[in-house]
Amino acid sequence: KAGVTQTPRYLIKTRGQQVTLSCSPISGHRSVSWYQQTPGQGLQFLFEYFSETQRNKGNFPGRFSGRQFSNSRSEMNVSTLELGDSALYLCASSRLDSGGPSQGQYFGPGTRLTVT
Amino acid sequence: KNQVEQSPQSLIILEGKNCTLQCNYTVSPFSNLRWYKQDTGRGPVSLTIMTFSENTKSNGRYTATLDADTKQSSLHITASQLSDSASYICVVSANNNDMRFGAGTRLTVKP
Repeated sequence: KAGVTQTPRYLIKTRGQQVTLSCSPISGHRSVSWYQQTPGQGLQFLFEYFSETQRNKGNFPGRFSGRQFSNSRSEMNVSTLELGDSALYLCASSRLDSGGPSQGQYFGPGTRLTVT
Repeated sequence: KNQVEQSPQSLIILEGKNCTLQCNYTVSPFSNLRWYKQDTGRGPVSLTIMTFSENTKSNGRYTATLDADTKQSSLHITASQLSDSASYICVVSANNNDMRFGAGTRLTVKP
């Protein structure tokens, strides 16, 4: 079974631009979560989608948004990029029944975003 | 205040030696605790997952323990190898699927 895939793996953008990152979960996984990882802050939760609905949201500004498609694939978008948005963006999927406890989360390799 | 605290922040050991990483948490109500290994520049990979009723779980040379009473977990690495050099992240989930991440322990194994 293929793992979680993320595209692109590396990205360089300039301040003020916007970016869209893509995540394909493991087949059969319906929950997709996004995280930002920086050396100073560690892993920080952005949002979680389940059945095309945002179920949980972290403490990030509205410039960060996401969506999930009917095939569970997910995208996240960051508008008006700032230098501080440079980070590794990780996507994770899990076979998560609605409202049930998480049984295991599998991470993708991440997208390394550099904002100059 | 982070609800998951890991120690030490970093650790350097010689190849072949054992080491133990610590994770203390205050997340409640507790659902499960996971240890991840993250190589530099890559996504975390799950090592173990433990629920309330599990005290210990092994995955090769990795053994995780959980004391739900004291809210402590440890990850013991036996006969370390150079490839064990990575960050080890403790993640604790509450019953509402709220996940809390530790800051990680950076392990360096030297020859």
